[in-house]
Amino acid sequence: GIQVEQSPPDLILQEGANSTLRCNFSDSVNNLQWFHQNPWGQLINLFYIPSGTKQNGRLSATTVATERYSLLYISSSQTTDSGVYFCAPRVFTSGTYKYIFGTGTRLKVLA
Amino acid sequence: NAGVTQTPKFQVLKTGQSMTLQCAQDMNHEYMSWYRQDPGMGLRLIHYSVGAGITDQGEVPNGYNVSRSTTEDFPLRLLSAAPSQTSVYFCASSWTSGRAETQYFGPGTRLLVL
Repeated sequence: GIQVEQSPPDLILQEGANSTLRCNFSDSVNNLQWFHQNPWGQLINLFYIPSGTKQNGRLSATTVATERYSLLYISSSQTTDSGVYFCAPRVFTSGTYKYIFGTGTRLKVLA
Repeated sequence: NAGVTQTPKFQVLKTGQSMTLQCAQDMNHEYMSWYRQDPGMGLRLIHYSVGAGITDQGEVPNGYNVSRSTTEDFPLRLLSAAPSQTSVYFCASSWTSGRAETQYFGPGTRLLVL
């Protein structure tokens, strides 16, 4: 099955710094989502981005499906950005679509 | 519009006990799924459903049953709980193919099996 690798696994930033999180996947996908899991465990949709670039405030994401990777950019980081960031490519397998989650990037933003 | 709701929030079981985790959504989504999240790991798909009356297995289905009698509800049953099923369980829903398929997650159920 598809392999999903996220890097770096852990990241510590000073408030105000910028960062880039990467998601590599081993097979063709027709959809990809980025999620933020906050320190209370809640999963929040960030982007639905099968290809191209999208921006939402200080966050933006780029997916290059032909090269099998996606990037999440966080600019001017804030302490509320802390948590775990997951990418989840969607694949068509066994007759249906399924999301396969990476193991995440754990981000801590220091005040 | 409550989104995706899950009950209970926390549960402690003894080995061998059975229980049902409830999940409901009010967005008329066709696709619903159950995931488990173990410490330091991503989410793994247990079971999913593409519509009422249709369910199928995900990556880690053993020890779990599901049914989908209505569009809104997708309960997950543990038949005989084992310590290996200690985890956080998330239910999610979305539209299926042909629409923007953003997945919406419930708040999770923390399960401890002793």
